[in-house]
Amino acid sequence: AQSVTQPDIHITVSEGASLELRCNYSYGATPYLFWYVQSPGQGLQLLLKYFSGDTLVQGIKGFEAEFKRSQSSFNLRKPSVHWSDAAEYFCAVGARDTNAGKSTFGDGTTLTVKP
Amino acid sequence: DSGVTQTPKHLITATGQRVTLRCSPRSGDLSVYWYQQSLDQGLQFLIQYYNGEERAKGNILERFSAQQFPDLHSELNLSSLELGDSALYFCASSVVAGNTGELFFGEGSRLTVL
Repeated sequence: AQSVTQPDIHITVSEGASLELRCNYSYGATPYLFWYVQSPGQGLQLLLKYFSGDTLVQGIKGFEAEFKRSQSSFNLRKPSVHWSDAAEYFCAVGARDTNAGKSTFGDGTTLTVKP
Repeated sequence: DSGVTQTPKHLITATGQRVTLRCSPRSGDLSVYWYQQSLDQGLQFLIQYYNGEERAKGNILERFSAQQFPDLHSELNLSSLELGDSALYFCASSVVAGNTGELFFGEGSRLTVL
């Protein structure tokens, strides 16, 4: 069965600092990988996704993530954090080769941005 | 705005009661997913429908049921409610049945069971 681990429950960074949120997955093959963001009182919004090809993927709001097969990781990065990036971030994994799609989500990382 | 509409946004009810949560997917999306988000369980997949048919089942309790109607809207029925059912219930939709499609989430229905 697929699973996702986000080791950091809560991260605090200063505005303008760089950010890296960790995500490790467990899956028998290369899965589909996603990062979603949830702002308070809102639903989840897709930041970026990896299906195949270039292992460095660009997303919205200046985020990027790198798929590392050898480490079973898909870490999310941003070079300079803005106060509006404060939110909860979820990594998700989806199985390939199935007509029944369900993404499995990690427990999330809450990002606090200090002024 | 994701285009996914969920009603009601908030619901307070008592133990033993039954509630229905409604979801209208994005125009053109055939897949509807239900997720439960609670503090102790995180975001848990409940069930998926694709074009009216159940496609995948997750950790959905027997007291819960769902369906997708011909107009593609979906309802999640929760019965014999317990305190532990208090959570945020999300509906998400996607164009495709499989995992290649981005999930578009509604803003959720917050259920409080007293």
